Amino acid sequence: NAGVTQTPKFQVLKTGQSMTLQCAQDMNHEYMSWYRQDPGMGLRLIHYSVGAGITDQGEVPNGYNVSRSTTEDFPLRLLSAAPSQTSVYFCASSLTRTGGAGGYTFGSGTRLTVV
Amino acid sequence: AQSVTQPDIHITVSEGASLELRCNYSYGATPYLFWYVQSPGQGLQLLLKYFSGDTLVQGIKGFEAEFKRSQSSFNLRKPSVHWSDAAEYFCAVGAGNGNKLVFGAGTILRVKS
Repeated sequence: NAGVTQTPKFQVLKTGQSMTLQCAQDMNHEYMSWYRQDPGMGLRLIHYSVGAGITDQGEVPNGYNVSRSTTEDFPLRLLSAAPSQTSVYFCASSLTRTGGAGGYTFGSGTRLTVV
Repeated sequence: AQSVTQPDIHITVSEGASLELRCNYSYGATPYLFWYVQSPGQGLQLLLKYFSGDTLVQGIKGFEAEFKRSQSSFNLRKPSVHWSDAAEYFCAVGAGNGNKLVFGAGTILRVKS
């Protein structure tokens, strides 16, 4: 099925460990982004990309890196995990910056716990 | 900077009753407005969106929303709530030159039978 695929669905890390959250879409969307969801705070933008080779910071970028080498993939890297990064992470993609007819398509999320 | 306020953290309605979820936004230009729904443990699903034109927007699952520029609001409504509507609802404004959505904190809807 077409859509946004996130892996893994669940992950537990120790403080200081690094990991990469994977995000892939097969809809040929130019725009991709990463959000984190915390209780009572809605979703906050971490990083986004407007096309292959182009990325920019969102609202809460510290502690995270991204790259966009292909249109399909937009991985999120945690360089040195901290308990404050315990959250649910969502990847989203869209055809245009305004979302287009289909809006933004979200993945099913990665639930990350840092101990 | 743009922002979205959802004043109600929790709302409880009886099945079959009408529903209105409030959303106020702050944005200097004409906003792109969205409502998303999230069931427990799931991702976000688009309910409806407003870009321009008719200020009353129809969405999926019988939802509608009305854009009121003078009040900076984009309230979500449904005439008769079903138990399956219990979920968390997010209002969002799209802004900037990139892929930026700014979300409200969400409203959790409970439906009692």
